[in-house]
Amino acid sequence: EPEVTQTPSHQVTQMGQEVILRCVPISNHLYFYWYRQILGQKVEFLVSFYNNEISEKSEIFDDQFSVERPDGSNFTLKIRSTKLEDSAMYFCASSDSPRRYGYTFGSGTRLTVV
Amino acid sequence: AQKVTQAQTEISVVEKEDVTLDCVYETRDTTYYLFWYKQPPSGELVFLIRRNSFDEQNEISGRYSWNFQKSTSSFNFTITASQVVDSAVYFCALSEAERGSTLGRLYFGRGTQLTVWP
Repeated sequence: EPEVTQTPSHQVTQMGQEVILRCVPISNHLYFYWYRQILGQKVEFLVSFYNNEISEKSEIFDDQFSVERPDGSNFTLKIRSTKLEDSAMYFCASSDSPRRYGYTFGSGTRLTVV
Repeated sequence: AQKVTQAQTEISVVEKEDVTLDCVYETRDTTYYLFWYKQPPSGELVFLIRRNSFDEQNEISGRYSWNFQKSTSSFNFTITASQVVDSAVYFCALSEAERGSTLGRLYFGRGTQLTVWP
């Protein structure tokens, strides 16, 4: 069964550093998402992306965050200057028709900011 | 206001008991989609079911069943004859089909931690 692949599975970074979280969505999917989950809390929407542009972003997705689809297969989330409170599990998801078929989530990247 | 409320933070049962996880949602849209996801200790999100607002038929899949009631805005999930492997956090989620939108952002509830003891 096709999968959404996220790398790395765990990343530790120092406060103030830039990080890039990588995702390879399912190949025929056109809709891409990032969500995050702070430890023990609910999963929160960050951003959706379609047709090479952001469709919607939440209040969490401030200027420190950016997304990109650099080469037609990867979908990346960049955090420019990490803060301690950015420590969370970050999930990538993709879909070919979100309302008809739902979403496929990756296994997540656990980001720890120290 | 929360769009999805899972009032049960934690539930513990003994193996073979039946357990129901509650989910109440809030939306003004007439077209919307409801989901359940399972998050085992390994952390990934595993899709369980998707339901659209026009389909109120209950669904059964093996030991899992879902009861969708628009009148009470609820989409409850029952596990029959629970097993230790069912231990996980279960999330209910809502996607609204707003006009002109948004490609289906998911609103998650806070999750219910289910622990099944042998």
